[in-house]
Amino acid sequence: DTEVTQTPKHLVMGMTNKKSLKCEQHMGHRAMYWYKQKAKKPPELMFVYSYEKLSINESVPSRFSPECPNSSLLNLHLHALQPEDSALYLCASSQDREAFFGQGTRLTVV
Amino acid sequence: ILNVEQSPQSLHVQEGDSTNFTCSFPSSNFYALHWYRWETAKSPEALFVMTLNGDEKKKGRISATLNTKEGYSYLYIKGSQPEDSATYLCAFEEGASGTYKYIFGTGTRLKVLA
Repeated sequence: DTEVTQTPKHLVMGMTNKKSLKCEQHMGHRAMYWYKQKAKKPPELMFVYSYEKLSINESVPSRFSPECPNSSLLNLHLHALQPEDSALYLCASSQDREAFFGQGTRLTVV
Repeated sequence: ILNVEQSPQSLHVQEGDSTNFTCSFPSSNFYALHWYRWETAKSPEALFVMTLNGDEKKKGRISATLNTKEGYSYLYIKGSQPEDSATYLCAFEEGASGTYKYIFGTGTRLKVLA
């Protein structure tokens, strides 16, 4: 299994909603990532978890809250988002320099 | 701020043409350079991980070279096919092992016309 699975694929949420994005991998990778990608821009790193501990937080607003419950799962909790947070959110995992990406969650904040 | 730049931004070629594009990255604090192929609505697919100056890697009709001293990598596609149409992203990995920090370029959008 060389897949990174993200759910949901699409999400529409209001500015007062609380929602979560989920990411799962069963490759035994110890590094997991969240990226945000706006149209026609490169993916921007948000968070990195290494061995289930947050190792990099790229100055992401607190309305985005990551969580790594175990070595296979990575969540991104969303609360009080703004319309400009609408983007594709990509999860990735890596081991030995090779990163595998999920298909992303297309998030729209209304 | 670390800058990773790719050129051209987009490219249209005819089927059968060979093509190449460039990724420029900081020449200091280099750890690895990654190339990805990303089709719309799919996951980015890893093509190459390059770590040594002068590296050349090949996968079918696609190959890549690396120059860490001057901070660039070329991706070549020989005999382009319509199924090669995708966005090609490079990502610079800085620093020592374990930073896990990939900085992506802006991508080159390739369209191969049948």
